[in-house]
Amino acid sequence: ELKVEQNPLFLSMQEGKNYTIYCNYSTTSDRLYWYRQDPGKSLESLFVLLSNGAVKQEGRLMASLDTKARLSTLHITAAVHDLSATYFCAVDDFGNEKLTFGTGTRLTIIP
Amino acid sequence: DSGVTQTPKHLITATGQRVTLRCSPRSGDLSVYWYQQSLDQGLQFLIQYYNGEERAKGNILERFSAQQFPDLHSELNLSSLELGDSALYFCASSAQGSFNTGELFFGEGSRLTVL
Repeated sequence: ELKVEQNPLFLSMQEGKNYTIYCNYSTTSDRLYWYRQDPGKSLESLFVLLSNGAVKQEGRLMASLDTKARLSTLHITAAVHDLSATYFCAVDDFGNEKLTFGTGTRLTIIP
Repeated sequence: DSGVTQTPKHLITATGQRVTLRCSPRSGDLSVYWYQQSLDQGLQFLIQYYNGEERAKGNILERFSAQQFPDLHSELNLSSLELGDSALYFCASSAQGSFNTGELFFGEGSRLTVL
């Protein structure tokens, strides 16, 4: 069974600081996705990573994928309050036609 | 706005009752996925339909069932409800063919509260 683990589960950081969220998974999939969720809201797609070495950036967020290490990172640069949310990674369990989500990382940016 | 529509947004009902959640996928999407989000279980995949046929099944209870209709909308039926079924139920759809990156587009969710 595919397992997707994120760490940390909770992250409280000050505005202006940098940090990284890690996503480890147990399959050989080369498709990984990052989503953002505000409390009680829908999941918003942030990044789609479709190959080993893929790197995507949007504003203060940058995601990368290392399929050999089965690891993806979501790096936050110079955090601002608007980035406070829960971030999920999800892995395409190839052949099973579904995404398996990680536990989520609740990010709180403190002014 | 993802283009995926879910109704109702909120639902409060009693134990033992039955409810139906409805989802309309994005225009042109043939696949519909249902996920359950609860505090203790996280985001759990329930079931997937593709063009009216069941394609994949996850941790879906026998009390739950789903279907996808010819117009591609889907319904998730939850019966003999228990307190533990209280959760946010999401529907998602994905693009087809060469546009399919596996990315899911989620609706706003239906929040079910069982009292």
